[in-house]
Amino acid sequence: AQSVAQPEDQVNVAEGNPLTVKCTYSVSGNPYLFWYVQYPNRGLQFLLKYITGDNLVKGSYGFEAEFNKSQTSFHLKKPSALVSDSALYFCVDSGGYQKVTFGIGTKLQVIP
Amino acid sequence: NAGVTQTPKFRILKIGQSMTLQCTQDMNHNYMYWYRQDPGMGLKLIYYSVGAGITDKGEVPNGYNVSRSTTEDFPLRLELAAPSQTSVYFCASTFSGGASTGELFFGEGSRLTVL
Repeated sequence: AQSVAQPEDQVNVAEGNPLTVKCTYSVSGNPYLFWYVQYPNRGLQFLLKYITGDNLVKGSYGFEAEFNKSQTSFHLKKPSALVSDSALYFCVDSGGYQKVTFGIGTKLQVIP
Repeated sequence: NAGVTQTPKFRILKIGQSMTLQCTQDMNHNYMYWYRQDPGMGLKLIYYSVGAGITDKGEVPNGYNVSRSTTEDFPLRLELAAPSQTSVYFCASTFSGGASTGELFFGEGSRLTVL
């Protein structure tokens, strides 16, 4: 499977402010990009994915991500953060393979 | 629909004991996966299955076994439990195309402690 980089272990944002969780992917091959969220003591939940098509992908809970080929990025964004968005976020590039693995993710803390 | 159901949610084992983590899904998904999540280590793939009767190793298969006799069930067997197998285990499933293009549906996890 392909690998991605989430350069920030933790992101802090004030409630009501826009949030961004960064993800960059490797250039080799075609990226198949996903975002998942894990709330405390829960399983992961799918948010959105980019396989082909429009570069701007809209997903669950008001999240969106833009596939940027020139910058090899797939950052997750939301216009206005909620305290309930506090969770662990995983960016994944399956690379078209079955053996999908997840990195350590980025912890998002939304401060009231 | 219940989705992906894992049992038990919590279990404490002694070193050398064996046990089976159960996973069942009611979405008629042909692809199923077992992951383990350790603090600060992300999720690592243990085994996966592309359909009944077909299984394959992931990144960290040692110390585990799986079987897939039906579409719904994908149990994970731990033989001779070791402290290194203390972890949170997640089962996941998805539909045609597999995890390469399809979103994974996860269970709530099984927290295993080996003492």
